[in-house]
Amino acid sequence: AQSVTQLGSHVSVSEGALVLLRCNYSSSVPPYLFWYVQYPNQGLQLLLKYTSAATLVKGINGFEAEFKKSETSFHLTKPSAHMSDAAEYFCAVSDRSSGGYQKVTFGTGTKLQVIP
Amino acid sequence: EPEVTQTPSHQVTQMGQEVILRCVPISNHLYFYWYRQILGQKVEFLVSFYNNEISEKSEIFDDQFSVERPDGSNFTLKIRSTKLEDSAMYFCASGGLAASYNEQFFGPGTRLTVL
Repeated sequence: AQSVTQLGSHVSVSEGALVLLRCNYSSSVPPYLFWYVQYPNQGLQLLLKYTSAATLVKGINGFEAEFKKSETSFHLTKPSAHMSDAAEYFCAVSDRSSGGYQKVTFGTGTKLQVIP
Repeated sequence: EPEVTQTPSHQVTQMGQEVILRCVPISNHLYFYWYRQILGQKVEFLVSFYNNEISEKSEIFDDQFSVERPDGSNFTLKIRSTKLEDSAMYFCASGGLAASYNEQFFGPGTRLTVL
């Protein structure tokens, strides 16, 4: 079964500092990978997705993630943190299939705190 | 931009009562899902639905849960006899026949509180 591991349930960074949220996946073949953000008391918003078109994926709000097959990683980064980035971030994975259906398996989430 | 909608945003019910959570998926999508997030925990897959039948369900999705697509637009999750541990945020998601990836679009969620 597909799974993702997010290292660090809480990450604190200073405003303007680099954001790095770690995610490793387990799969025998490269899956589809996603990062979702959840603001307090809100739903899930897709930040970015890896679909094999490019290993460096750019998303919304200045976030990007790099797919590294050799490391089975898909870490999320942002060069300069803003206060508005404070939220919980979920890495997620789904299998490749031709039919379009596949369940998404989520990681345990990382809460990002941005310190003024 | 099309989006998944869910109603109600918050439902409070007494233990043992039946609840129905409603979702309107994106109109041309064919795959429908329910996920659950207990407070402070990760998002968990409950069930997927395609072609008017369940494609896959998790261990959580026991006999007290059911899903239905009663018409061409709604997708519902019914909990027959709610338990305290059913208190959670429930997310509906839908997906299309995208050839290159399996992105699912999530609704804003329904917060279910069982007293």
